Amino acid sequence: GDSVTQMEGPVTLSEEAFLTINCTYTATGYPSLFWYVQYPGEGLQLLLKATKADDKGSNKGFEATYRKETTSFHLEKGSVQVSDSAVYFCALDGSEKLVFGKGTKLTVNP
Amino acid sequence: KAGVTQTPRYLIKTRGQQVTLSCSPISGHRSVSWYQQTPGQGLQFLFEYFSETQRNKGNFPGRFSGRQFSNSRSEMNVSTLELGDSALYLCASSRYTGTSGSSSYNEQFFGPGTRLTVL
Repeated sequence: GDSVTQMEGPVTLSEEAFLTINCTYTATGYPSLFWYVQYPGEGLQLLLKATKADDKGSNKGFEATYRKETTSFHLEKGSVQVSDSAVYFCALDGSEKLVFGKGTKLTVNP
Repeated sequence: KAGVTQTPRYLIKTRGQQVTLSCSPISGHRSVSWYQQTPGQGLQFLFEYFSETQRNKGNFPGRFSGRQFSNSRSEMNVSTLELGDSALYLCASSRYTGTSGSSSYNEQFFGPGTRLTVL
């Protein structure tokens, strides 16, 4: 079945550091891919999405490119802020439901 | 525009009891999905309702059930609670309209969740 694998956390960075969170997927067909973010005590918010190969999703300085050849959708940000501290989930739209990775907790220190 | 609301936000129950959680979708949204979030298993899909009908179902035992009302509000019920049912239960709504074959993704908007603790 469909599955998503993302790098284990937690990840701890200093402010203004470069962020990469790896995500790979297994799916039949060509699913849409997403990154969701969960701040403490809140539900999930859609951060960015890509619906076809080579699409780049971007939002709030975060970017991810849909790579069909490597079945990957890595999340990147050039300069993280303390306010980016949260849990990040990679997900795919499989068989009309979202399939999530286990999540990566990011902590950004000032 | 109000977001997805879930009640209650926190619940404590004991093994063997049953529990009902409620979800009110964003106005105009007719699709409601439920997810279970645990540290061990992560986020897992429970079921989705559209127009008062269950449209999709995850791999959970029959103790987990749900329903949707004509105003699109949804409830999920867990009977005979087990310790392993302790989790954050998230509800999400979307603009899905029932049109099959659509290639566009209908973004799911999540509520803050209900934290269920089973003692």
